[in-house]
Amino acid sequence: GAGVSQTPSNKVTEKGKYVELRCDPISGHTALYWYRQSLGQGPEFLIYFQGTGAADDSGLPNDRFFAVRPEGSVSTLKIQRTERGDSAVYLCASSRGSGANVLTFGAGSRLTVL
Amino acid sequence: AQTVTQSQPEMSVQEAETVTLSCTYDTSESDYYLFWYKQPPSRQMILVIRQEAYKQQNATENRFSVNFQKAAKSFSLKISDSQLGDAAMYFCAYRNYGGATNKLIFGTGTLLAVQP
Repeated sequence: GAGVSQTPSNKVTEKGKYVELRCDPISGHTALYWYRQSLGQGPEFLIYFQGTGAADDSGLPNDRFFAVRPEGSVSTLKIQRTERGDSAVYLCASSRGSGANVLTFGAGSRLTVL
Repeated sequence: AQTVTQSQPEMSVQEAETVTLSCTYDTSESDYYLFWYKQPPSRQMILVIRQEAYKQQNATENRFSVNFQKAAKSFSLKISDSQLGDAAMYFCAYRNYGGATNKLIFGTGTLLAVQP
């Protein structure tokens, strides 16, 4: 597509529920990133994919968070047993590759855990 | 570990005037990239300007320019002839040169208001 698409735009869930957030990167972009932006903060890195594999998942806060990119295009961020502290905007970005390529961001998915 | 600090939580500027947003960073690397991103209420991060650390010349993009002081680890953004559409959150970001990832490290942001 023309830009990075993220769905849903907003998600409200209850504590303890399971949530999936989807990212559809720009066509042809092999690199994909997930960031989390809490209220009043800058985005924090979660995970980076190069193709289908997670090249760097050092930012995932704990084992409740997991992300996949099975065909090297669309990615899904999965959060199990959600907690109120997981409330944030989850941003996805893609680039043509690693190296000097600039990231293009989506508009994010705002997750609210009640 | 690298860090990025933005010490101005909020700034205000009159339309058509000039404003400078501050950013400092800490790194032991000699080669890296620095960025300024704009985030309007739509939440989408938009790249404003990029600077390669090995370049001595300050980057410029139309009304946006930077003052890159490598020794001082300072990277400020100057917006000239401010327009109402410039109102947004601005984030300074750092990335290592090379390496396995394209991971960006962001500051906490500066909220810019433009007064008509």
